Amino acid sequence: QQQVKQSPQSLIVQKGGISIINCAYENTAFDYFPWYQQFPGKGPALLIAIRPDVSEKKEGRFTISFNKSAKQFSLHIMDSQPGDSATYFCAASTGASGTYKYIFGTGTRLKVLA
Amino acid sequence: DAGITQSPRHKVTETGTPVTLRCHQTENHRYMYWYRQDPGHGLRLIHYSYGVKDTDKGEVSDGYSVSRSKTEDFLLTLESATSSQTSVYFCAISDNRVAKNIQYFGAGTRLSVL
Repeated sequence: QQQVKQSPQSLIVQKGGISIINCAYENTAFDYFPWYQQFPGKGPALLIAIRPDVSEKKEGRFTISFNKSAKQFSLHIMDSQPGDSATYFCAASTGASGTYKYIFGTGTRLKVLA
Repeated sequence: DAGITQSPRHKVTETGTPVTLRCHQTENHRYMYWYRQDPGHGLRLIHYSYGVKDTDKGEVSDGYSVSRSKTEDFLLTLESATSSQTSVYFCAISDNRVAKNIQYFGAGTRLSVL
């Protein structure tokens, strides 16, 4: 119940294309769903996040789509650029325990071809 | 990296030796976390702290201990390192009073246990 399943494991997209990464969860107590971006040799950095009271959140070229009934959420990167090549992690957390611990997906390595 | 310093950045050690990794923050954030990152597993929580001298276990705590004697420092100790503890270790911080749920990550420590 604590798992967050992420797919695909790797993704290759042409410049200008749309990159889509999917995550699924089981624990209905999760109430915060962030996406992190990580470049080689760096720590993960928050990209965008959503709460389950909205179905979509957009920030620039990055959009989270959230389907509460299906317990799924996805990251869409529009007009993908070579600079977007990185590893992306979805995560889920709940504040029920007061500490907001994250459960991370296993990551998606995105490569955008120039 | 959000006022987070991890030291050392790289370490090679031998099986059976003790190892201590340090996370230092300048943000005065209450919560601190230690994760390990391994291929195919994403980031997994080892231990976390919700205040000075207040710590708790994460999902992969066996073989690790932590201490937090002051707000700015969170130490991760491998009492007797094993090859299975070869990994990249990340420290994260969060301040749930201000920006709930957001965790900021350090640059990581790459540990090799031979």
